[in-house]
Amino acid sequence: AQTVTQSQPEMSVQEAETVTLSCTYDTSENNYYLFWYKQPPSRQMILVIRQEAYKQQNATENRFSVNFQKAAKSFSLKISDSQLGDTAMYFCAFMKHGSSNTGKLIFGQGTTLQVKP
Amino acid sequence: SQTIHQWPATLVQPVGSPLSLECTVEGTSNPNLYWYRQAAGRGLQLLFYSVGIGQISSEVPQNLSASRPQDRQFILSSKKLLLSDSGFYLCAWSGTVGNTIYFGEGSWLTVV
Repeated sequence: AQTVTQSQPEMSVQEAETVTLSCTYDTSENNYYLFWYKQPPSRQMILVIRQEAYKQQNATENRFSVNFQKAAKSFSLKISDSQLGDTAMYFCAFMKHGSSNTGKLIFGQGTTLQVKP
Repeated sequence: SQTIHQWPATLVQPVGSPLSLECTVEGTSNPNLYWYRQAAGRGLQLLFYSVGIGQISSEVPQNLSASRPQDRQFILSSKKLLLSDSGFYLCAWSGTVGNTIYFGEGSWLTVV
């Protein structure tokens, strides 16, 4: 069974600075997807970034980038130039690839990030 | 572009009453649809998924059921709510199995 672990329950960062959120996972699968979702106080789950395991290049979306280390089963999220609107809970998630996939996301427990002015 | 909506946003129901949460997706056809539940301060748990009309798969045994009467409509139901059914429920969709999953705004259910 797959598991996702986020070891930082809470983090804070000053506005305009950079912060890195950690995520590790355990799987015997070779092909899979990894995601970071953001859940602001509105509670809606918003996709931040996606990584396909077969791609060696780290995904980037504007101020958000990941450090994907497949051998180490690590998937950290870096937020550059942090903004007040980045304040939210961040979830790391895993999904298997293949026809037997149900679209089931395995979530970590989340990291609450507060951006301070 | 594709959009997903679910309602109601907030619901307070007595124990033993029925439940109906609805979700619709616009801008796409034959989506895969999902219902997730989030316990307070925790990650999400998949409850049901559907790959087509009338096709429902349950991930965990529970007091809830799901139905898909139309291609882009997904309904979460219960005949008699339990206190343990309280939580935040999110509908979601994806274009194909294995593709990115997008979530609706969520529905907060409190059973009293």
